[in-house]
Amino acid sequence: DGGITQSPKYLFRKEGQNVTLSCEQNLNHDAMYWYRQDPGQGLRLIYYSQIVNDFQKGDIAEGYSVSREKKESFPLTVTSAQKNPTAFYLCASSNENSGTGELFFGEGSRLTVL
Amino acid sequence: AQSVAQPEDQVNVAEGNPLTVKCTYSVSGNPYLFWYVQYPNRGLQFLLKYITGDNLVKGSYGFEAEFNKSQTSFHLKKPSALVSDSALYFCAVRDNGGRRALTFGSGTRLQVQP
Repeated sequence: DGGITQSPKYLFRKEGQNVTLSCEQNLNHDAMYWYRQDPGQGLRLIYYSQIVNDFQKGDIAEGYSVSREKKESFPLTVTSAQKNPTAFYLCASSNENSGTGELFFGEGSRLTVL
Repeated sequence: AQSVAQPEDQVNVAEGNPLTVKCTYSVSGNPYLFWYVQYPNRGLQFLLKYITGDNLVKGSYGFEAEFNKSQTSFHLKKPSALVSDSALYFCAVRDNGGRRALTFGSGTRLQVQP
């Protein structure tokens, strides 16, 4: 089945460590996104990529990094510079060719910093 | 910049009664509007969207939404609520500028009582 796969679903990290969250899609979508979800704050955009080998900062990019070397993959690295990394992270993709722009989401990765 | 407001943190309704979850938006140009639902520790599921055309949009699971341009609103409705509708609901607007990402509201928790 087509979809978006995020891994791991749960991740624990010690302070000062970098961690990478995986996001893979087989929907043949050009655009991919990373959002962060905190209770009561909705979803906030971290990074997005509309094409391979190109990505842009979203609203809360500080302390995060991404790469887009393949169309199917858009990993997110949470670095030690991120002050408050404990959150639920959601990856999404969209078919820009369809023009209507709805996002398809993965099941999320919950990161807890100990 | 675009924005979305969901004025109610929680909506309570009895099973079988109609429900409304409110959303207002601010965006330059014509809005692309979306509703998503989220169950605990899961990703977001697309419910419906308004791009153009009829102001009443029908979506998944019996939900519909009414677009009102003069009031800049896009309220989610269902004629008869089910206990299984209990979840977190997000309204979103698409950025009509270059990045094409969605901006989300803070979410409304719907609780349907048996």
